[in-house]
Amino acid sequence: NAGVTQTPKFRVLKTGQSMTLLCAQDMNHEYMYWYRQDPGMGLRLIHYSVGEGTTAKGEVPDGYNVSRLKKQNFLLGLESAAPSQTSVYFCASSFSGINTGELFFGEGSRLTVL
Amino acid sequence: AQSVTQLDSHVSVSEGTPVLLRCNYSSSYSPSLFWYVQHPNKGLQLLLKYTSAATLVKGINGFEAEFKKSETSFHLTKPSAHMSDAAEYFCVVSRANAGKSTFGDGTTLTVKP
Repeated sequence: NAGVTQTPKFRVLKTGQSMTLLCAQDMNHEYMYWYRQDPGMGLRLIHYSVGEGTTAKGEVPDGYNVSRLKKQNFLLGLESAAPSQTSVYFCASSFSGINTGELFFGEGSRLTVL
Repeated sequence: AQSVTQLDSHVSVSEGTPVLLRCNYSSSYSPSLFWYVQHPNKGLQLLLKYTSAATLVKGINGFEAEFKKSETSFHLTKPSAHMSDAAEYFCVVSRANAGKSTFGDGTTLTVKP
């Protein structure tokens, strides 16, 4: 009964390094999302996907790339990390669009960029 | 365009007393509205949602919220706070297209014994 699983849970990077966050869901959901959470700013949508092979930009997409090669996985990449990308990243999925469907969240990935 | 304002960044109540977390929204269309709860170092969990059905919505753990279109509000209430309710709460407004959602900045609820 895993739901949404994010790996890794913690990571420290140096400026300019690259990394990939992996999100996996076992609920057969069509929609998947990547958010970042910063103190006092709620959650902001980075990128999302409405199905396998599709991606779209959210509110704050700059500096990030995503891929959805398999329905159950949604990858978030940072090609050249910057200190401004220090944040907690949450993956979420939903059966239908966010308007009607409940979002199921992972437990977060805490990224620090030095 | 849409926006959501959580009117209190912090709310403190005593155990057994009522809880009121306030949320106002702005939307140029008929919105869907959600409340999520986040316990420390955890992901967010849905408490309740409004999607143009009954205006009084009941959720999990005794929480409920009332959609008031005239006041553009969707306040979250609970008659009697429990220690386990201490968490951060997010109000969310969304539209029909996937990804078109806006989160409030969150309200931290503290429950005193």
